[in-house]
Amino acid sequence: NAGVTQTPKFRVLKTGQSMTLLCAQDMNHEYMYWYRQDPGMGLRLIHYSVGEGTTAKGEVPDGYNVSRLKKQNFLLGLESAAPSQTSVYFCASRGLARSTGELFFGEGSRLTVL
Amino acid sequence: AQSVTQLGSHVSVSEGALVLLRCNYSSSVPPYLFWYVQYPNQGLQLLLKYTTGATLVKGINGFEAEFKKSETSFHLTKPSAHMSDAAEYFCAVILTDSWGKLQFGAGTQVVVTP
Repeated sequence: NAGVTQTPKFRVLKTGQSMTLLCAQDMNHEYMYWYRQDPGMGLRLIHYSVGEGTTAKGEVPDGYNVSRLKKQNFLLGLESAAPSQTSVYFCASRGLARSTGELFFGEGSRLTVL
Repeated sequence: AQSVTQLGSHVSVSEGALVLLRCNYSSSVPPYLFWYVQYPNQGLQLLLKYTTGATLVKGINGFEAEFKKSETSFHLTKPSAHMSDAAEYFCAVILTDSWGKLQFGAGTQVVVTP
């Protein structure tokens, strides 16, 4: 029972390099989210998607792009990485019922930008 | 706009002692509130949630929380701490103007001492 799977789990980049984080969920969830976690700041929403082919900006979208070409996948891209993007990134998903509210999280992707 | 504030970024408790983590919310409408737990190097998982109905909510691992509208609080408690409770705990609220997005507090790190 995989749930939400993130790849890669660790990555080190140099400033200016690009990369893509992949999130895959096998629960047929409509909604998917990308958060970043930094010490003392909790989780902040980067981008989210309410269905295949849709994306929207969250609280801290600058420097990131996303795509949701398939319902089960949500990609987060960094076109030109900066040290400020050093963080732990979490993908989450949930079903349609707003009242349940439960997000299912991946195990995180730790990114270091030198 | 909805938000949550967690009081205390670090809490140290003795094994067997009461665990009390404080969360206050701000919301102009009845909130949906959540507590998530994050064990080291893992994603977040749901402890418990309050949507409507009973104000005392029981969750997993012996945790419970009480919704107090008059105090705008949703504090998390556990009568007797166990070493396995060492983790970071996040309070969260669903944003009513959103597609089920969660607004997280900054988190409280719990350390359990023998």
